[in-house]
Amino acid sequence: DAGVIQSPRHEVTEMGQEVTLRCKPISGHDYLFWYRQTMMRGLELLIYFNNNVPIDDSGMPEDRFSAKMPNASFSTLKIQPSEPRDSAVYFCASSLGIGAFFGQGTRLTVV
Amino acid sequence: AQSVAQPEDQVNVAEGNPLTVKCTYSVSGNPYLFWYVQYPNRGLQFLLKYITGDNLVKGSYGFEAEFNKSQTSFHLKKPSALVSDSALYFCAVRDTGTASKLTFGTGTRLQVTL
Repeated sequence: DAGVIQSPRHEVTEMGQEVTLRCKPISGHDYLFWYRQTMMRGLELLIYFNNNVPIDDSGMPEDRFSAKMPNASFSTLKIQPSEPRDSAVYFCASSLGIGAFFGQGTRLTVV
Repeated sequence: AQSVAQPEDQVNVAEGNPLTVKCTYSVSGNPYLFWYVQYPNRGLQFLLKYITGDNLVKGSYGFEAEFNKSQTSFHLKKPSALVSDSALYFCAVRDTGTASKLTFGTGTRLQVTL
C-alpha cells in the first residue's frame, strides 16, 4: 500500500479564495483524521470520521472550515474563504482504530 | 478529557550517549500510548505503541519506551543516539474507553551532535 496520500503537497493562495485539500486513506482503514500543525499551536485535531461518518468536529476552528468523506477512499478539507492565519501544514491520517498513519501533509500558505 | 505533556521543548545529546524524551499523560480510563517521529517537511512516522502487557515496548530504529502506570509516564529511550535520530518527537494518548481520537503532546526536538 502506498500509505496515506495527500494532495497537493504545497498550496499558495490569496486571502479570500477557496482552498480544498484532499486525502486518500490507506485501503481498509475505517478511521480518518484531519490535523493541523503550526508552530504556535502544535498538532491540533480538526475532525475525524469513522466509516465515512463525522464523529467529532469540535476542533474545526470556524464555519469557514468544512470536511467531507463521500466514500471510504477519499476525503476533503475545505476552507472558504481562506485567511492568512489558516497558513499551516494540514495532515490527514488513517487508522484501523488504535494508532494512526499519517500522510506527508499539505503546506498551505495564504497570502 | 485526555491530555499529554512533553515537558522539554528540546533535548540535546551527544552521539553514542543514551537518550530519554519524556512524556506524561492523563486519561480517565486506561491508555493506549504512542510515539511518533517527524523529520523536516515530512509527516509523522509511527515509532511504537503500548496497548497492554509488557511495560517495556520496543519499536523502530532501536527506540523503546517504558509505560509506568503509577507515574502516568511513557518516556522514550534509546541506548545509543545517532545523529540521524535528530528530529521532532511526539507522544500521543488515546483513552481505551472512548472513541479513537489521538491527543498529541507539543513535541520535543531531539538534537544529536557528534
